[in-house]
Amino acid sequence: GQNIDQPTEMTATEGAIVQINCTYQTSGFNGLFWYQQHAGEAPTFLSYNVLDGLEEKGRFSSFLSRSKGYSYLLLKELQMKDSASYLCAVRDSNYQLIWGAGTKLIIKP
Amino acid sequence: IAGITQAPTSQILAAGRRMTLRCTQDMRHNAMYWYRQDLGLGLRLIHYSNTAGTTGKGEVPDGYSVSRANTDDFPLTLASAVPSQTSVYFCASSPGESYNEQFFGPGTRLTVL
Repeated sequence: GQNIDQPTEMTATEGAIVQINCTYQTSGFNGLFWYQQHAGEAPTFLSYNVLDGLEEKGRFSSFLSRSKGYSYLLLKELQMKDSASYLCAVRDSNYQLIWGAGTKLIIKP
Repeated sequence: IAGITQAPTSQILAAGRRMTLRCTQDMRHNAMYWYRQDLGLGLRLIHYSNTAGTTGKGEVPDGYSVSRANTDDFPLTLASAVPSQTSVYFCASSPGESYNEQFFGPGTRLTVL
């Protein structure tokens, strides 16, 4: 079966750095995605990785290791507005997204 | 304002009733998707359409049907609602199935009693 695992909840301090991990087992791989979802709102796209390595976009970076079935999202200089759920998704061989349950990130002052 | 809209925002429905959730996008995107989101579970694909006139089944299609008569509209119908269909429903679109970003509507919160 297909499976995406990520921690249910994490807590971090404003101004700090946090790493959210995601491991996956899917039928085929055509890219890994990270989305942000604030409570009561729709998911919004953050990043896309298809090759191994690190993709940096401002305060957010995403890393992929295809051989390990592993990715992480790194958030730097945390702000209170970063409090949200972070969703990991993998595009499978049918070009459909398989989603993890999301990691709720709580930022404390 | 370009984007994707859904209606209604929320709905309480008696079991056994028929319900259509509406989704409209004005970005001329070819691909459209319906997901449901339940607490503790990831988004699950119900149905999708890669282009107007075609539809496909996702991971959890039972009890749901869709149509794609034109590029802009992608309604989701529950023929006879059951309590297990209580969920938040998101419609999404992208320029094509291989495009990297999906754009989500605001969601419809549906409660079936």
